[in-house]
Amino acid sequence: KAGVTQTPRYLIKTRGQQVTLSCSPISGHRSVSWYQQTPGQGLQFLFEYFSETQRNKGNFPGRFSGRQFSNSRSEMNVSTLELGDSALYLCASSLMGAEYNSPLHFGNGTRLTVT
Amino acid sequence: KNQVEQSPQSLIILEGKNCTLQCNYTVSPFSNLRWYKQDTGRGPVSLTIMTFSENTKSNGRYTATLDADTKQSSLHITASQLSDSASYICVVSATGGYNKLIFGAGTRLAVHP
Repeated sequence: KAGVTQTPRYLIKTRGQQVTLSCSPISGHRSVSWYQQTPGQGLQFLFEYFSETQRNKGNFPGRFSGRQFSNSRSEMNVSTLELGDSALYLCASSLMGAEYNSPLHFGNGTRLTVT
Repeated sequence: KNQVEQSPQSLIILEGKNCTLQCNYTVSPFSNLRWYKQDTGRGPVSLTIMTFSENTKSNGRYTATLDADTKQSSLHITASQLSDSASYICVVSATGGYNKLIFGAGTRLAVHP
């Protein structure tokens, strides 16, 4: 069974630009969640989608947005990039979601560098 | 305030030795506690998930314990191997969804030959 796939693996962008990251969940998983990981803040929850609907949202500004398609694939968009957005962005898929004690299966992330 | 604190911040042990990592939390109302292993440059991999009623769970050489009364958890690694070198992250979930996932800062473990 294929794991969670995130593309691209590495990305370099300039301040002010926008970026789209992609996540393909494990087949059959309907919940996809996104996280930002930085050395200073650790892992922080961005948002979760379930059956194409945003079900939960973390404390990030509106520049961070996402969506989920009917095949459960998800994209995350960051507009007007800032230097502080440089981070490892991880997505995780699960059958039902974290609150149902479902295991979270993480991808290997997209390393975003903003210059 | 919901918090998860892990100790030690980093640890060096010799191959074949055992070690124990600690996680203290002040998350309420408690739903579950998870331990993840994250290798450098890769995503976290789930080791264990424990709910309120579980106090021990094993996954191979990894054994997690949970004391819901004192709000403490530990991850014990037996007969360490070089491949155990990684960050270990404790995550506590309060009831109410993903925005109630509280992540610890992790313990960085280095296993030396």
